Amino acid sequence: GAGVSQSPRYKVAKRGQDVALRCDPISGHVSLFWYQQALGQGPEFLTYFQNEAQLDKSGLPSDRFFAERPEGSVSTLKIQRTQQEDSAVYLCASSQREDSNQPQHFGDGTRLSIL
Amino acid sequence: AQSVSQHNHHVILSEAASLELGCNYSYGGTVNLFWYVQYPGQHLQLLLKYFSGDPLVKGIKGFEAEFIKSKFSFNLRKPSVQWSDTAEYFCAVWMDSSYKLIFGSGTRLLVRP
Repeated sequence: GAGVSQSPRYKVAKRGQDVALRCDPISGHVSLFWYQQALGQGPEFLTYFQNEAQLDKSGLPSDRFFAERPEGSVSTLKIQRTQQEDSAVYLCASSQREDSNQPQHFGDGTRLSIL
Repeated sequence: AQSVSQHNHHVILSEAASLELGCNYSYGGTVNLFWYVQYPGQHLQLLLKYFSGDPLVKGIKGFEAEFIKSKFSFNLRKPSVQWSDTAEYFCAVWMDSSYKLIFGSGTRLLVRP
């Protein structure tokens, strides 16, 4: 498709399990962003990639969160030893170039529930 | 700290009523400003954006927003809402030398037919 694709759409995990969330950006988009959206809140920035380089990971809440984009296209957000406070919708967005004049295109998100 | 405030969390209007949603940000430098909309069951979509030039910007579906630099505001307006405008609206700000968008907490709009 033409949009940003995220999988799975829903993920339920037990506390302590590791999870991996996938993002397929729009083809050719240089920039890729991950956001976390808690219930009733706006998206909060987690990390940013320009091609395969992770240029900003200042929003990752702990060292249990790890993101990669090894070939500059698909990205994976991994959460280790999940906690209940990790329950949220995880959004991926991509934009065509690296400058701020490019709007970000969002995927449908992955809704993560930690039991 | 840099932040974006949306003061109206829930708004209920009747069809044909006028809409204004407030957005304020706290940052003294150069900003790019956005409004995104999320219709029920759908992903975030760009409604309109301001980068420079005319502070009154027009977006899709009859929406417009005005950037008032002195007030650090970027309020969203629509003269006459429709039932199909029922959605959640997010203001977002891109602050210079930053890669990230900072979002407000969103405003849920319900338009009664």
